[in-house]
Amino acid sequence: GNSVTQMEGPVTLSEEAFLTINCTYTATGYPSLFWYVQYPGEGLQLLLKATKADDKGSNKGFEATYRKETTSFHLEKGSVQVSDSAVYFCALPGTYKYIFGTGTRLKVLA
Amino acid sequence: NAGVTQTPKFQVLKTGQSMTLQCAQDMNHEYMSWYRQDPGMGLRLIHYSVGAGITDQGEVPNGYNVSRSTTEDFPLRLLSAAPSQTSVYFCASSYSMASSNTGELFFGEGSRLTVL
Repeated sequence: GNSVTQMEGPVTLSEEAFLTINCTYTATGYPSLFWYVQYPGEGLQLLLKATKADDKGSNKGFEATYRKETTSFHLEKGSVQVSDSAVYFCALPGTYKYIFGTGTRLKVLA
Repeated sequence: NAGVTQTPKFQVLKTGQSMTLQCAQDMNHEYMSWYRQDPGMGLRLIHYSVGAGITDQGEVPNGYNVSRSTTEDFPLRLLSAAPSQTSVYFCASSYSMASSNTGELFFGEGSRLTVL
């Protein structure tokens, strides 16, 4: 079945640092891939998605490219802000359910 | 737009009590689900539904019941609460899970449950 492996955290960065959170997947076919973000005290919300191989999803300065050769969907941001402090989840759809990574907590220091 | 609405946001129960977490969505989504989130455990699927009258178990269904009498509502029932059910519960919905190129999953704000 489909599965996802996500980099463990926590990740602590200074403001304006470069961020990479690794995500690799195993899937049948080429499903859509997602990154969700959970801010403190809130539910998860979609950050970005890619629906086919070589697609790049982007939102709020974050980017991720759907790479079928390496089965990866790494999340990147060139310059993080304190307001980016949150938990980030990589996800893909499985059989009648979504498969989530374990989440990576990001803390950005001013 | 209301999206996915969960109630209550906070609840404290004593061991053995029962309660229902309510979930409603106004997006005409076929698919609805319940997750629990515990520290270090990520999100775990409790139950899901692919349409009115159809429900199925997820990874951790024991101690929980669900029903789907309408497209909009998907309540989660705790039959006899236990301290192990202390968690944050999220309801989530999506238009369809019929194909692998499915769309976004929309989450409620969560319900924090403490069982003493």
